[in-house]
Amino acid sequence: GAGVSQSPRYKVAKRGQDVALRCDPISGHVSLFWYQQALGQGPEFLTYFQNEAQLDKSGLPSDRFFAERPEGSVSTLKIQRTQQEDSAVYLCASSPPGEAAEAFFGQGTRLTVV
Amino acid sequence: AQSVAQPEDQVNVAEGNPLTVKCTYSVSGNPYLFWYVQYPNRGLQFLLKYITGDNLVKGSYGFEAEFNKSQTSFHLKKPSALVSDSALYFCAVRAATDKLIFGTGTRLQVFP
Repeated sequence: GAGVSQSPRYKVAKRGQDVALRCDPISGHVSLFWYQQALGQGPEFLTYFQNEAQLDKSGLPSDRFFAERPEGSVSTLKIQRTQQEDSAVYLCASSPPGEAAEAFFGQGTRLTVV
Repeated sequence: AQSVAQPEDQVNVAEGNPLTVKCTYSVSGNPYLFWYVQYPNRGLQFLLKYITGDNLVKGSYGFEAEFNKSQTSFHLKKPSALVSDSALYFCAVRAATDKLIFGTGTRLQVFP
């Protein structure tokens, strides 16, 4: 596709359930980012991949959060044992090679934990 | 530590009037600054960026931004607002590891 694709668009999970959120970046984009956006807030950085290497995971809020990008393309953000405070929109972004290239964002996955 | 501040939660402007959405930043070294817009139930859309060079940057949809190093500001501007410009606007600065650090956002409301 032409843009960053995320699935599902909406996910309702019961507290304690595991969830997996998928991101298909733009073809050829080596950098991939995950952000968490709480209601009424700006996006907060979670983690960053360059190809398949996870170069920065400093924003992951707990060890219940895990991200992977095994072949340097599609990425999955997994949240184990979801809690209510995990409810947010999870945004994926990709960017091409080049210093200061802008990031292109997907539409996000809205996660609601009940 | 790098940070971005958007001092206004909301900006209201009449259609046809000029608009300004404010952003100040704190960064060590040369800043890479960005503006994104978010429409309801949509992802963030890139508007413009400042890397180096001319302090006035032109972007999408008639928007522009002025980089002011002495005031550490990067305000978003448009000479004539449209109702369709109503959305949430985010200023961001790129950190050392390429991640973006976003402000809290400013809701722009353009009234007909």
